[in-house]
Amino acid sequence: DTGVSQDPRHKITKRGQNVTFRCDPISEHNRLYWYRQTLGQGPEFLTYFQNEAQLEKSRLLSNRFSAERPKGSFSTLEIQRTEQGDSAMYLCASSFLLTLYNEQFFGPGTRLTVL
Amino acid sequence: GQQLNQSPQSMFIQEGEDVSMNCTSSSIFNTWLWYKQDPGEGPVLLIALYKAGELTSNGRLTAQFGITRKDSFLNISASIPSDVGIYFCAGQLPGANSKLTFGKGITLSVRP
Repeated sequence: DTGVSQDPRHKITKRGQNVTFRCDPISEHNRLYWYRQTLGQGPEFLTYFQNEAQLEKSRLLSNRFSAERPKGSFSTLEIQRTEQGDSAMYLCASSFLLTLYNEQFFGPGTRLTVL
Repeated sequence: GQQLNQSPQSMFIQEGEDVSMNCTSSSIFNTWLWYKQDPGEGPVLLIALYKAGELTSNGRLTAQFGITRKDSFLNISASIPSDVGIYFCAGQLPGANSKLTFGKGITLSVRP
């Protein structure tokens, strides 16, 4: 399967702990996006990378959140000192820049529960 | 921030019926996309629209990019049980540098 993959699929943690999620995009895609989705809402943009460069960050991305894409392939999203309000589905998507179109393909998501 | 409006929140139809969903905004969008999401999974891209007035089909699905660039609709014909799920519209604002803005979604139920 050559779709977007995310790991882990589920994460339960205690408030105050740090967590890290991984996203592997579709192999030829050079843009990678992180979104957050809470119950009953659509996904909300967090940040995106073009190759290894982080080009935009939403104000939703507090200083406890950091994302990296060190070699322009996979990406990690780390949340430090988790809070209960961080509980959500974290979605990764990828797209190919050199087309005229912005077709973003999503992974299955990581469901985070902060106790 | 910018919002896309999808209503109603839920729709209930009989298997075999057609259904149409709207998505509206007070802002102009360059791109409209429609996604379907099953519980516990990520959204799956159904149709993408790039030009005002564009009408695009994908099997039993048809979507249109409104001429004002502020709305889009998705039509599902001859619904089947596996059409059950949450349908999201998403749009890209001019100059938004590729991030998508999503609506809140419409939950579709199909009665056999």
